[in-house]
Amino acid sequence: AQSVTQLDSQVPVFEEAPVELRCNYSSSVSVYLFWYVQYPNQGLQLLLKYLSGSTLVKGINGFEAEFNKSQTSFHLRKPSVHISDTAEYFCAVSEGGSQGNLIFGKGTKLSVKP
Amino acid sequence: NAGVMQNPRHLVRRRGQEARLRCSPMKGHSHVYWYRQLPEEGLKFMVYLQKENIIDESGMPKERFSAEFPKEGPSILRIQQVVRGDSAAYFCASSLLLGRTGHEQYFGPGTRLTVT
Repeated sequence: AQSVTQLDSQVPVFEEAPVELRCNYSSSVSVYLFWYVQYPNQGLQLLLKYLSGSTLVKGINGFEAEFNKSQTSFHLRKPSVHISDTAEYFCAVSEGGSQGNLIFGKGTKLSVKP
Repeated sequence: NAGVMQNPRHLVRRRGQEARLRCSPMKGHSHVYWYRQLPEEGLKFMVYLQKENIIDESGMPKERFSAEFPKEGPSILRIQQVVRGDSAAYFCASSLLLGRTGHEQYFGPGTRLTVT
């Protein structure tokens, strides 16, 4: 069955440090991959997506992610974080040919400290 | 262009009452998805609807929950005889078309249901 694993439930980091949030998925078919950000008491905002083509995807707010098919991973990175990046980040996958419903990981809470 | 709208944002119900959650998709979007987020959990798919049709309800609890997306008006998620375990944030998302680009979903702010 399709599943998404976010290995780190919480990631504390200092301001201006680099960060990587890990995401692995399991699927036997082609997939579309997404990262969403959720600020406290708000809905989800799309950060970036991989549908096809280049495996390095750039998104909003300076984030990027790399699709690695052999490792079934889609890790999110930012070279220098800001206090305002403090939020919860969700990795999600949708199978090609499916109805489009997203399968989400449990989320990673990023806490940026001054 | 307004985003996905959900109301109410917060809803408090006593056990046994009914909860009705409404979702208006983005303009031009005809596909609506409902997800539930339990505390400390990711979002779980519940149901996928198009206008007047339920396409996939594989994530819906078999009892007490129902959803509709009429020809006119918002999509409604209805929970009858609520129990404390129904307390969660319920998110609606909409997309433009099925197919590759249709997999991009735009989320509303959610309705936070508290059952007392």
